[in-house]
Amino acid sequence: KNEVEQSPQNLTAQEGEFITINCSYSVGISALHWLQQHPGGGIVSLFMLSSGKKKHGRLIATINIQEKHSSLHITASHPRDSAVYICAVRWTFGNQFYFGTGTSLTVIP
Amino acid sequence: DSGVTQTPKHLITATGQRVTLRCSPRSGDLSVYWYQQSLDQGLQFLIQYYNGEERAKGNILERFSAQQFPDLHSELNLSSLELGDSALYFCASSTVAGPTDTQYFGPGTRLTVL
Repeated sequence: KNEVEQSPQNLTAQEGEFITINCSYSVGISALHWLQQHPGGGIVSLFMLSSGKKKHGRLIATINIQEKHSSLHITASHPRDSAVYICAVRWTFGNQFYFGTGTSLTVIP
Repeated sequence: DSGVTQTPKHLITATGQRVTLRCSPRSGDLSVYWYQQSLDQGLQFLIQYYNGEERAKGNILERFSAQQFPDLHSELNLSSLELGDSALYFCASSTVAGPTDTQYFGPGTRLTVL
């Protein structure tokens, strides 16, 4: 059983499209992180959420604590957004991190 | 560049051997995290240190150990290596140790066990 489920696993979009990646989790959490991993392997933390919504440039992340669900939106997608997006949650008890399996996004020019 | 450094970048070794991976956090960061990323299991949290003390523990095998030194750099020791230990090992750092801290990831060490 996975504590964190992401969908879709793979996503191909045309440049300019609006993209949504979903993350559902089953444990009580103190925070949820969205990470971006580029083909070269490097990982960048995009957002940390404990409630509500955050926006950074063309990226928006939301979380609904009651429904145990988070979404990452990319507006006006661009080929440079092509990467794997990973949802991670920090479990309230024990401070462990659990990771989703990632969503591989390809944006075609 | 996140400011987190990891050495070595690549490591090739044989089963049964022992290796040490090193991580230097961003200047001023007190917390260090270690993660393992393998093809079959994805990203897994191993352990977190804050200012020299263990803060949280994940799926770290007994053959693995870590520590954070007074200068805040951290080392991950992997012993009795098995083929399945082949993976990317990431270190990340954050300012303090709270759940809401942004983590800055190093470039990773790719370990290949033959």
